[in-house]
Order: sequence, then structure tokens, then C-alpha cells
Amino acid sequence: DTGVSQNPRHKITKRGQNVTFRCDPISEHNRLYWYRQTLGQGPEFLTYFQNEAQLEKSRLLSDRFSAERPKGSFSTLEIQRTEQGDSAMYLCASSLVSGSTGNEQFFGPGTRLTVL
Amino acid sequence: AQKVTQAQTEISVVEKEDVTLDCVYETRDTTYYLFWYKQPPSGELVFLIRRNSFDEQNEISGRYSWNFQKSTSSFNFTITASQVVDSAVYFCALRMDSSYKLIFGSGTRLLVRP
Repeated sequence: DTGVSQNPRHKITKRGQNVTFRCDPISEHNRLYWYRQTLGQGPEFLTYFQNEAQLEKSRLLSDRFSAERPKGSFSTLEIQRTEQGDSAMYLCASSLVSGSTGNEQFFGPGTRLTVL
Repeated sequence: AQKVTQAQTEISVVEKEDVTLDCVYETRDTTYYLFWYKQPPSGELVFLIRRNSFDEQNEISGRYSWNFQKSTSSFNFTITASQVVDSAVYFCALRMDSSYKLIFGSGTRLLVRP
């Protein structure tokens, strides 16, 4: 399977702990995105990378959140000092920058975070 | 401000009925892109279609069709002869030419009953 993969699929943690999620994009895709989705809502943009450069960050991405994409391949999203409000599905997507204008994004299965 | 509104929270139909999912968007940009995604119970978002702001041609793909009207800022999605496997949450999304982030609506949950 050559789609976007995310690990872990589920994470349960206690408030105040740090968590890290990993995303592996489709291999030839050079853009990678992180979104957060809460129950009954559409995904909300967090940040995106082109290769290893982080080009845009949402105001939703507080100081407790950090994302990296070393070497322009996989990406990690870390949440420090988790709060109950961080409980959500964290979605990763990737796209290919090319001559086409649309650059549709393809999503992974998500990591569901539950903060107790 | 950019915004996507999906006013229908939930729709329930009987199999083989036609159903239309509404999407209204707001943007001041002249170049933008519209998308529809499907999120089945398994949770993974599946890309369905992209439309560019400069191309108002409607599109048909099998039982799916999309009606893009710039005059009313709408990008509606119709499923003809619905099937139980069409049951999912459907999201409409907007992307401006100046950014690569997608702005999603709140989704419409479609239930197709046998």
C-alpha cells in the first residue's frame, strides 16, 4: 500500500504528558500537511511543509505544538503538556507540487488522541 | 474571510433515491479551488473531486455529479441512485490560490437505508 500512513492509530495519555505522532507521506509527494478534527466538525488546518521547510502555521498551533519534517520525508507532530482540549483526531495529508494547479491532498487514516 | 458552509447536518434517504448535498463558500480571491471529500465510518478522508474557479463546467463521474455555480458561490454534489455504501460524512473544502491549506465545511452525514 503506497498511501499516507500514520502511527500510532490511537493514543491515550494523561493530562500533562507529551505525545508524538508520525506521518509517512506518499513517497513522491513533496508537500505534507497536518490537520486536527474534533467530533462532528470538519478538519482544521494546523501546518504544512514543502520538503523540509515549514511554510505555514495556523494560530491553532500553540507553543505546545511543534512539527518537524527532517530531510523532507516523514513528519512528526509533538504535543507537550497535553490538555483535555487536545483530544481529537490528528490527520496527515500529502500532495505533489507539479504543473497542475489543484494539488489535491491525500489523507492518512489519522491518529486519535484521547487525553484523560 | 474564507468560509465553507454545509447547512445540511444530516440527510437520510432510502436506497436508490437521488440526493444532493449543498455547499456554499465565501472568498474574495478570484482564483480558488473547491473539493469534495468522503469520510466513511472507517475515518479516512477520500478525495472525490477538485474544481478550479475558472472552470464552471459541471462534472459527472458515474453516479456522482457536481454543479459549480460562481453566481451563487455554490458547489453542490448529487448522488444518483444512492446505495448503502454511500453512507458517510461528506466534506466540501476550499483552497485559495495564495495558500495550500484546505478550509473545510462542517460536513453532511448521509445515511442511505436499505
